[in-house]
Amino acid sequence: QQPVQSPQAVILREGEDAVINCSSSKALYSVHWYRQKHGEAPVFLMILLKGGEQKGHEKISASFNEKKQQSSLYLTASQLSYSGTYFCGASTSGTYKYIFGTGTRLKVLA
Amino acid sequence: GAVVSQHPSWVICKSGTSVKIECRSLDFQATTMFWYRQFPKQSLMLMATSNEGSKATYEQGVEKDKFLINHASLTLSTLTVTSAHPEDSSFYICSASPGPPGEQYFGPGTRLTVT
Repeated sequence: QQPVQSPQAVILREGEDAVINCSSSKALYSVHWYRQKHGEAPVFLMILLKGGEQKGHEKISASFNEKKQQSSLYLTASQLSYSGTYFCGASTSGTYKYIFGTGTRLKVLA
Repeated sequence: GAVVSQHPSWVICKSGTSVKIECRSLDFQATTMFWYRQFPKQSLMLMATSNEGSKATYEQGVEKDKFLINHASLTLSTLTVTSAHPEDSSFYICSASPGPPGEQYFGPGTRLTVT
């Protein structure tokens, strides 16, 4: 079953922060996060493995709460380049097969 | 590093014909490759998982006889859409994984239009 992301869409001004959530109805083994710009393929951002870890990459970080079966992506001090659609990809089996979430459209305005 | 190419970028074909899409990992060996389909403003829907030298695993609802997948080597997988119909028009994206921990690198996608 497809993970549900919230919010569906968000508009920010440059410098503002955002949180995107990804919730699964099944137990999660690992979670990926990707960003896709219009007409392009998704770009890998980070992977979080079972164990409730948190990772960071510049001003983008993510957490993984396996008890709550959810992951959150944190965007701080957003930049115009952050605009795009964000997808989580969830693995419930420990294999490399991931089911992608519903997506969150994010737009950063100058 | 971790570059995946897809060919062609776009293709227009007539109803009833077959179309082959290639996916190549250019600078790494991909133990597993995936094929997705994406409709406008929607998420990626996994069609099948492909491992080199073995039969692809198709997701529920995906016709294996219509969408033929061949994973000939650790750097090449192909998707053939047989007897294409207008409803098969979509954006097809492949991804490749080099192994643990399982991150996927996506190709640029192929836009298929069936007339």
